[in-house]
Amino acid sequence: DGGITQSPKYLFRKEGQNVTLSCEQNLNHDAMYWYRQDPGQGLRLIYYSHIVNDFQKGDIAEGYSVSREKKESFPLTVTSAQKNPTAFYLCASTKTRGGEKETQYFGPGTRLLVL
Amino acid sequence: DAKTTQPPSMDCAEGRAANLPCNHSTISGNEYVYWYRQIHSQGPQYIIHGLKNNETNEMASLIITEDRKSSTLILPHATLRDTAVYYCIVRGTALFNFGNEKLTFGTGTRLTIIP
Repeated sequence: DGGITQSPKYLFRKEGQNVTLSCEQNLNHDAMYWYRQDPGQGLRLIYYSHIVNDFQKGDIAEGYSVSREKKESFPLTVTSAQKNPTAFYLCASTKTRGGEKETQYFGPGTRLLVL
Repeated sequence: DAKTTQPPSMDCAEGRAANLPCNHSTISGNEYVYWYRQIHSQGPQYIIHGLKNNETNEMASLIITEDRKSSTLILPHATLRDTAVYYCIVRGTALFNFGNEKLTFGTGTRLTIIP
């Protein structure tokens, strides 16, 4: 089945450690997005990418990094510079650059916890 | 993007129609109204979207007022599986606003279906 997969479902990070969250899609979508969700809050955009080898900062990019070397993959690294990384991380994609008729499809999410 | 206002929570009896309101008084002419829902600890799920005409699909109906300042999502026969947080989002088109394709999620309405 086509869709977006995220792994792992739960991830534990030690202080000062970098961790990488995986996001893969087999929908042949051009655009991919990373959001962060804190308890009881809405989603906030971290990074997005419209095309391979290109990505843009969202509203809360500090302490995060991404790469887009392949169309189907958009991994997110939470660096040690991110002081409050505990959150639910969601990856999404759209077929093209997100025109008005494009819907975003979301993965199941990764919950990151700091030890 | 225009801001939206939704009630924080609502209850609805199973089998009845659930009507979820959303105010978006600052919506501009090229902005669409999107509805997503998020079941606990899962990624958001697209429900429906529209510009100015009422829309219906297999999941729900969307009623947009003539002045477009508010809308209502209708789940015609609510089931227990419809218990979720429902997000009303107003989004511009990437064609007119480069990089504006992000979805700005507020805190939504927590809908509880009562058996």
